[in-house]
Amino acid sequence: EAGVAQSPRYKIIEKRQSVAFWCNPISGHATLYWYQQILGQGPKLLIQFQNNGVVDDSQLPKDRFSAERLKGVDSTLKIQPAKLEDSAVYLCASSLYTGASYEQYFGPGTRLTVT
Amino acid sequence: DAKTTQPPSMDCAEGRAANLPCNHSTISGNEYVYWYRQIHSQGPQYIIHGLKNNETNEMASLIITEDRKSSTLILPHATLRDTAVYYCTPMDSNYQLIWGAGTKLIIKP
Repeated sequence: EAGVAQSPRYKIIEKRQSVAFWCNPISGHATLYWYQQILGQGPKLLIQFQNNGVVDDSQLPKDRFSAERLKGVDSTLKIQPAKLEDSAVYLCASSLYTGASYEQYFGPGTRLTVT
Repeated sequence: DAKTTQPPSMDCAEGRAANLPCNHSTISGNEYVYWYRQIHSQGPQYIIHGLKNNETNEMASLIITEDRKSSTLILPHATLRDTAVYYCTPMDSNYQLIWGAGTKLIIKP
């Protein structure tokens, strides 16, 4: 089965510019997560979708970050304008409850560098 | 939400068993404990999970103490490819994983 796809893999932008990341989850997975991972730390949840609805976006900096999941499949995460502290790896994950497990499957991530 | 404590780093000789401890003393009764690992420049990879009973799969074994305040992940025969950061992550009632900084495991030849 195909895994979670993310693009681009790497992005370098200047501060105050905008950037967008794309995620295609595993087919049939209703729940999609976006995480931010700063070097040396564990992932930090930004937003959780169930189908095309938002379950939790309490840690999403809404003044600059936005995310959508149209049609309950693909998702995009946008940053506008970017700050230096946004330099991180942005991970997308998807999951499907099987009755015994709710494991999350992660994509390779997008490494963002803001200069 | 439960918080976890893991040693920041550990070494293990190739071919030996790697035992990775995790303290999760604030975990609630219905929160599963999941373990993931993250190899350099990749996304985290699921290893195993459990609630009360010990669990085993093709990758690892998970030992959970009776009071559920701690657990140990066991890689029975570590190889160089097991070098990674290992995360012990409770899952809360919203199906969200609670991530700490993990343990950097280095397998030495």
